[in-house]
Amino acid sequence: SQELEQSPQSLIVQEGKNLTINCTSSKTLYGLYWYKQKYGEGLIFLMMLQKGGEEKSHEKITAKLDEKKQQSSLHITASQPSHAGIYLCGADYVSQKLVFGQGTRLTINP
Amino acid sequence: ETGVTQSPTHLIKTRGQQVTLRCSSQSGHNTVSWYQQALGQGPQFIFQYYREEENGRGNFPPRFSGLQFPNYSSELNVNALELDDSALYLCASSPGPEETQYFGPGTRLLVL
Repeated sequence: SQELEQSPQSLIVQEGKNLTINCTSSKTLYGLYWYKQKYGEGLIFLMMLQKGGEEKSHEKITAKLDEKKQQSSLHITASQPSHAGIYLCGADYVSQKLVFGQGTRLTINP
Repeated sequence: ETGVTQSPTHLIKTRGQQVTLRCSSQSGHNTVSWYQQALGQGPQFIFQYYREEENGRGNFPPRFSGLQFPNYSSELNVNALELDDSALYLCASSPGPEETQYFGPGTRLLVL
């Protein structure tokens, strides 16, 4: 089984709608990273969370790490076509050897 | 732009051949990590180099090897290529082993 599970695996939303992507770990996280990937390209760093209860925002994207540090959510408000892509969470279990979830493919319909 | 570059962008090899992929890190980043991403999957950690020494390795066989050079460049070498080695190979650089990793655009390898 996967150490890091993302849900949903794919998501199609209407432009302007809000959405949430979840990332659940089978063990305590020391650090949780969110990256975005355009199909077949490199990963773009979005945010990093370390402390239980921590919440960070950048433009219309907000990420939270729950108190027990085993789950994180990524929330996008008023989605735009530029938000389309694959969102990956990466867990820092052992000193920056990141373990990634399988990704969530986000499609924004105009 | 992350300041991390990789070459080549695409590569086609046949089974049994050897391949070298290259990465140029951001200036000042003394740590580089390599990942393999199969189609539809998240990246899997291959190994990390810190100040030219291997600093951790994932579940990959010894035919995957690496080098890191003082000029912030690095290489991933794969010997005896297998069909399952077809994937996107990503390098990521960071200022140190404990810090945020910044990824390059990747090299897509196809093994026939």
